[in-house]
Amino acid sequence: DAKTTQPNSMESNEEEPVHLPCNHSTISGTDYIHWYRQLPSQGPEYVIHGLTSNVNNRMASLAIAEDRKSSTLILHRATLRDAAVYYCILHTDKLIFGTGTRLQVFP
Amino acid sequence: KAGVTQTPRYLIKTRGQQVTLSCSPISGHRSVSWYQQTPGQGLQFLFEYFSETQRNKGNFPGRFSGRQFSNSRSEMNVSTLELGDSALYLCASSFGGRANEQYFGPGTRLTVT
Repeated sequence: DAKTTQPNSMESNEEEPVHLPCNHSTISGTDYIHWYRQLPSQGPEYVIHGLTSNVNNRMASLAIAEDRKSSTLILHRATLRDAAVYYCILHTDKLIFGTGTRLQVFP
Repeated sequence: KAGVTQTPRYLIKTRGQQVTLSCSPISGHRSVSWYQQTPGQGLQFLFEYFSETQRNKGNFPGRFSGRQFSNSRSEMNVSTLELGDSALYLCASSFGGRANEQYFGPGTRLTVT
């Protein structure tokens, strides 16, 4: 199964931008890069996904490296409600979750 | 529109028993995937059903099985329960395929005693 590597944890202050990195050197040409987050006591929540080009939506932006071996999830202004575990996943016909990055946001 | 619903939300069973969990997907979604989440192993993929056929399967023993009905609702069954089966069981629905996001339900918390 295709694997991703993320830092275990990151910290941010409220209203600051947050860049969450992800390495996926074994990505194949048809794998989509998906990001989900899981807030405490809730199921995972879809954040964003992309294939080759950078993507923006109301929640975040996804920057994908030209060789597609890494990507970065960008939260433009972190809020306390963004504190969660963020998972970067290669969708290879199924979602294989890693350990994710636990994001702490401080007021 | 309504989100993914799972029933029951909480369940307590005894070792050796069997259990059936239910998942109702978002209207129009034909793919339903099941996941197990434990503190030790994290989120693990169980299987995916699409149009009543199992399309993908994770690395779980045969005690874990599922099915999908013509209305896309899905059930997951675990037979001969073990203590290690205690977990949060999540289902997610989507239109299917790598380009489509999955929407997760709140999960069923199963405790095996």
